[in-house]
Amino acid sequence: EVQLVESGGDLVQPGGSLKLSCAASIFTFRSNWMSWVRQAPGKGPEWLGNIDKDGNRKVYADSLKGRFTISRDNARNSLYLQMNSLRAEDTAVYYCARDPYSSDYGYGMDVWGPGTTVTVSS
Amino acid sequence: EVEMTQSPLSLPVTLGQPASISCRSSQSLVYDDDGYTHLNWFQQRPGQSPRRLIYKVSNRDSGVPDRFSGSGSDTDFTLKISRVEPEDVGFYYCMQGTHWPYTFGQGTKLEIK
Repeated sequence: EVQLVESGGDLVQPGGSLKLSCAASIFTFRSNWMSWVRQAPGKGPEWLGNIDKDGNRKVYADSLKGRFTISRDNARNSLYLQMNSLRAEDTAVYYCARDPYSSDYGYGMDVWGPGTTVTVSS
Repeated sequence: EVEMTQSPLSLPVTLGQPASISCRSSQSLVYDDDGYTHLNWFQQRPGQSPRRLIYKVSNRDSGVPDRFSGSGSDTDFTLKISRVEPEDVGFYYCMQGTHWPYTFGQGTKLEIK
């Protein structure tokens, strides 16, 4: 079964930085676009951005205003989310997800990890 | 940014009865590059990650029971559950993948009466 497991969530002070990781197994990681999605407490999911198979193309939600950066290491089957200038409103569960990004299987996340929790508070 | 509007936001249903959720987008979801409509439906059970049920309006993901069906076109879409079962309790979200950024609806909470 395809697996994604996020890590790196923590309690961080406002203005701080954090880097999340996502480890992929079973599927051919390098053949897939990947996304990050977050969900604040009691709210619906919010798509943060995605990255193409090679890591050359990245698209971000406007709301991030350049504070977050998505990257990947295909040799390590890993996806990353670097978060800077964190604010209280960034408190959420962060999910990595596979995006088929194809006409056949759609544009939208078909496999999700269990998530990792980020809390921004002093 | 494409706005996705779901209704109802709360849906109490009797076990074994059908359920229907509506989703409307602020602009057409037909993708110019391939002609497909990239409208997805997700289920989120309590304490779990979201799970994709439907892609491209009406295609069920692997393992999704056939009591779930999707329909619609352009800007108006519907998720139907033919007979609600206990494990269907949770939130349901539509999400468009046609335009960047991807955007979700507010969610519909399905509960058993």
